[in-house]
Amino acid sequence: AQKVTQAQTEISVVEKEDVTLDCVYETRDTTYYLFWYKQPPSGELVFLIRRNSFDEQNEISGRYSWNFQKSTSSFNFTITASQVVDSAVYFCALSVYSGAGSYQLTFGKGTKLSVIP
Amino acid sequence: GAVVSQHPSRVICKSGTSVKIECRSLDFQATTMFWYRQFPKQSLMLMATSNEGSKATYEQGVEKDKFLINHASLTLSTLTVTSAHPEDSSFYICSANPGQGYSYEQYFGPGTRLTVT
Repeated sequence: AQKVTQAQTEISVVEKEDVTLDCVYETRDTTYYLFWYKQPPSGELVFLIRRNSFDEQNEISGRYSWNFQKSTSSFNFTITASQVVDSAVYFCALSVYSGAGSYQLTFGKGTKLSVIP
Repeated sequence: GAVVSQHPSRVICKSGTSVKIECRSLDFQATTMFWYRQFPKQSLMLMATSNEGSKATYEQGVEKDKFLINHASLTLSTLTVTSAHPEDSSFYICSANPGQGYSYEQYFGPGTRLTVT
């Protein structure tokens, strides 16, 4: 069975601070994909990044960066110089093959980030 | 590309009535569609997986007679909540998978907020 743990339920930071959201996953599959999504108050999921299990390169996109470490089964997300618009719930998710040609996503419980002006 | 729409975005219905939610892939054909439910301040939970032209596969604990899923075409899946009750009030999100080498991808719709009074 697959599992995604986001231990931080809620985080509050002051604007311009850096913040790291933790994600730890469990799977026995050797091929899998990891995702981060942002869910603002409107509810719509916003895709942020996808990583496959064979690519451990860290990635930076503007103020966002991701640290993927297979040795610790972690896929952490850092926002640099946070802004009020970053306030949202962030979900980490794990995708593994479920048969019949499709993959199934398992979501973590999410981390609610509040950026205070 | 890869746009998924849902209709309606919000619906209020009376207890005992049925309500249908549509999920459409607008610019691609979706071999597989997924339906999720999200209660307030909780994560997304997979309800069912549907493949075009075949019966949906429901997750454990999801009543298939209550949540009817029809995936009649490669661009449309519908979720009908039958005899709705207040406890069915939730945020319902669909996603679509394009297959064809991208079986790990899921493109999410904007969600439908259902309130049963």
